[in-house]
Amino acid sequence: EPEVTQTPSHQVTQMGQEVILRCVPISNHLYFYWYRQILGQKVEFLVSFYNNEISEKSEIFDDQFSVERPDGSNFTLKIRSTKLEDSAMYFCASILEGLDTEAFFGQGTRLTVV
Amino acid sequence: GQNIDQPTEMTATEGAIVQINCTYQTSGFNGLFWYQQHAGEAPTFLSYNVLDGLEEKGRFSSFLSRSKGYSYLLLKELQMKDSASYLCAVWGSNDYKLSFGAGTTVTVRA
Repeated sequence: EPEVTQTPSHQVTQMGQEVILRCVPISNHLYFYWYRQILGQKVEFLVSFYNNEISEKSEIFDDQFSVERPDGSNFTLKIRSTKLEDSAMYFCASILEGLDTEAFFGQGTRLTVV
Repeated sequence: GQNIDQPTEMTATEGAIVQINCTYQTSGFNGLFWYQQHAGEAPTFLSYNVLDGLEEKGRFSSFLSRSKGYSYLLLKELQMKDSASYLCAVWGSNDYKLSFGAGTTVTVRA
């Protein structure tokens, strides 16, 4: 069964460092997302990406965040200068198309900023 | 904006039935999803409703009333492995994103 894959599964970084979280969405999917979940809290939308551009972003997704689809298969989330409060699980998701299809989630990257 | 409410916690006995309610107030509506999430893992899809009524899928059923902004997830014949968080998520209109409720943690006891 096709799946969304994310690497790394765990990332520990020092405050102020840049991190890149990687995702490989399902190959024929058209819409890509990053969500985050701070421990014990709800899943929060960060950004959606379609047709090689951001289609929507949340207030959380400030200038420290960026996304790229560099090579047609990978979908990356970059945090330029990490803060302690960026510590969370980051989930990548993709959907085939349209509004009536399920979003498939990757297994997540646990980011710990120290 | 999106406002999605569901109870924080529920406890039930193995073999019993539990109903998790979700109410939503969103800027438009294009469907409601239920996801299951075990601790430290990704959400996994359970069900989808876009029209009013009941969708049944094995031990799990989901109901939607669009006029009331209300859905429920019914879990029957509870098993210990059903202990997890259950997330209600809504597609608003004019936006291609899922907005999640805070999740309901279900604990199944023997």
